[in-house]
Amino acid sequence: AQSVTQPDIHITVSEGASLELRCNYSYGATPYLFWYVQSPGQGLQLLLKYFSGDTLVQGIKGFEAEFKRSQSSFNLRKPSVHWSDAAEYFCAVGKAFGYSTLTFGKGTMLLVSP
Amino acid sequence: DVKVTQSSRYLVKRTGEKVFLECVQDMDHENMFWYRQDPGLGLRLIYFSYDVKMKEKGDIPEGYSVSREKKERFSLILESASTNQTSMYLCASSSGTEDNEQFFGPGTRLTVL
Repeated sequence: AQSVTQPDIHITVSEGASLELRCNYSYGATPYLFWYVQSPGQGLQLLLKYFSGDTLVQGIKGFEAEFKRSQSSFNLRKPSVHWSDAAEYFCAVGKAFGYSTLTFGKGTMLLVSP
Repeated sequence: DVKVTQSSRYLVKRTGEKVFLECVQDMDHENMFWYRQDPGLGLRLIYFSYDVKMKEKGDIPEGYSVSREKKERFSLILESASTNQTSMYLCASSSGTEDNEQFFGPGTRLTVL
């Protein structure tokens, strides 16, 4: 069965500091991986996605993620966090093509301190 | 841009009422999904649909039903609302033919009193 683990429920980062959010997945086939962000009271917005090619993926808002097959990980990074990045972040995995649902992690809440 | 809209941002209902949550997408997507989101539990899939008039149960279908009479519209129905269905409900759609990226609506926060 497919699953996604986000080990950190909450993370607090100082504004201007670097950020790494962890995501580990379990999937039987070639995974299609996503990171979404949710601001308070809003729906989910896609930050980036990865299926194949360069294992370092660039997304919106200065975020990037690195796919490591050997570690079954897809960690999200940002070199310098802004106060507006405070939100909840979800990692998800699914099939690349054809009919597929996505399996989401339980999310990591990012708090940004001044 | 893909747009997924949900009929209400906030809804307050009483126990036992029949509740309809509506979702509309404008990109001719094949697939549509309903999730509920609760603190500490993430997103849990209630129902999904791969085509008009087709529906599949997700992980937590109990107490819910769905309707998809037209390709662009996917409704979630609470036949008899209960307090434990107080939650944030998110609708999403995906192309399914080329890419399984899901596009989300803004959500409906439902409170059942």
